[in-house]
Amino acid sequence: EVQLVESGGGLVQPGGSLRLSCAASGFTFSDYWMHWVRQAPGKGLVWVSRIYSDGSNTIYADSVKGRFTISRDNAKNTLYLQMNSLRAEDTAVYYCARDVRFRQDYWGQGTLVTVSS
Amino acid sequence: QSALTQPASVSGSPGQSITISCTGTSSDVGGNNYVSWYQQHPGKAPKLMIYDVSNRPSGISDRFSGSKSGNTASLTISGLQAEDEADYYCSSYTSSSTWVFGGGTKLTVL
Repeated sequence: EVQLVESGGGLVQPGGSLRLSCAASGFTFSDYWMHWVRQAPGKGLVWVSRIYSDGSNTIYADSVKGRFTISRDNAKNTLYLQMNSLRAEDTAVYYCARDVRFRQDYWGQGTLVTVSS
Repeated sequence: QSALTQPASVSGSPGQSITISCTGTSSDVGGNNYVSWYQQHPGKAPKLMIYDVSNRPSGISDRFSGSKSGNTASLTISGLQAEDEADYYCSSYTSSSTWVFGGGTKLTVL
């Protein structure tokens, strides 16, 4: 069974940093691209970032470019999102999701990030 | 990249059919067939319902169907059931190698 479990969310002050993790199991993690998608409270889904299966290529939404870094450790079956220079508008539930041919077929349950003083 | 345009809400009675539209541009919806639809119940993770415009993943009811014409994709749910009440999001791969979601549509089963 495919499982994706996010962790690392919490309350952080504006300008602060946070690193999210997504532990994968039930599939060969190193074979798949992975994504981060976020959802502000009461709002819609917003795509954040994608990383290739071997980590060799990454891409970001304009809203997080230069502040967020997606990475992965295939030996640990774990996806990461390093978030720096956080802003109030980054407050959201962050989901990791597996990619299969340009669609996100499995999603984790999400971790809440709150940026507030 | 602007969000794809979806109606904020739709409603229907049990047994009826409804259609949710998703309008983008030639750089996303109109430019490829990588359009997906997701169902999200409150407090839950999104669930893939349709991929590649009109394909259903294993285990998804054939009451759910998708189509596309030009820059607009559509999700149709036939034989509405109470359990279909949820938020629905479209998504498209883009010419910039990114992804864009729609703003979401709240489906109410009357």
